[in-house]
Amino acid sequence: TQLLEQSPQFLSIQEGENLTVYCNSSSVFSSLQWYRQEPGEGPVLLVTVVTGGEVKKLKRLTFQFGDARKDSSLHITAAQPGDTGLYLCAGAAGGFKTIFGAGTRLFVKA
Amino acid sequence: DTAVSQTPKYLVTQMGNDKSIKCEQNLGHDTMYWYKQDSKKFLKIMFSYNNKELIINETVPNRFSPKSPDKAHLNLHINSLELGDSAVYFCASSQVGAQYNEQFFGPGTRLTVL
Repeated sequence: TQLLEQSPQFLSIQEGENLTVYCNSSSVFSSLQWYRQEPGEGPVLLVTVVTGGEVKKLKRLTFQFGDARKDSSLHITAAQPGDTGLYLCAGAAGGFKTIFGAGTRLFVKA
Repeated sequence: DTAVSQTPKYLVTQMGNDKSIKCEQNLGHDTMYWYKQDSKKFLKIMFSYNNKELIINETVPNRFSPKSPDKAHLNLHINSLELGDSAVYFCASSQVGAQYNEQFFGPGTRLTVL
């Protein structure tokens, strides 16, 4: 069974700090996705990483896919209160199925 | 224009009742999903339909019955509701022909069973 483990589960930081969220698995994924979910809303896709070692940037967010395509990280530089939310990683588990990690709840204090 | 919409947003009901949640997508996608998100925010797939055909049916009680009248709609009917059914239910869609099966989610339906 493929599993995605995210760490940390919770993160509370001050505005302006940097942080990194991790998504790990013992399985190889053809691609991994990162979603952000705000309270009362559905997850919204941020990025898809495909190639081992790939780095993608989205403003202050940097996403990296591990060389072996078993893990990924999300780094946020100079976090802002608007970054508050639940960050989910997801991977294709074969066929039409996508599995999600348990998520990292980020709270950025002003 | 809302890409994936769900109704109702909130649903409060008594144990034993039957209820339905409706979902519509206007993205032209061929695949739709129902997910359940529990109180710990864990998102777990329940069902998936591709071109109106059921393709994923996870270990979900028979009380849950999805129906897809066409590619743009996927409804979820729940019989004999139980306390443990309380959760947020998300509908999502994707275009399976697209490379990475990226999913677009609705706003969710918060179901509370009393």
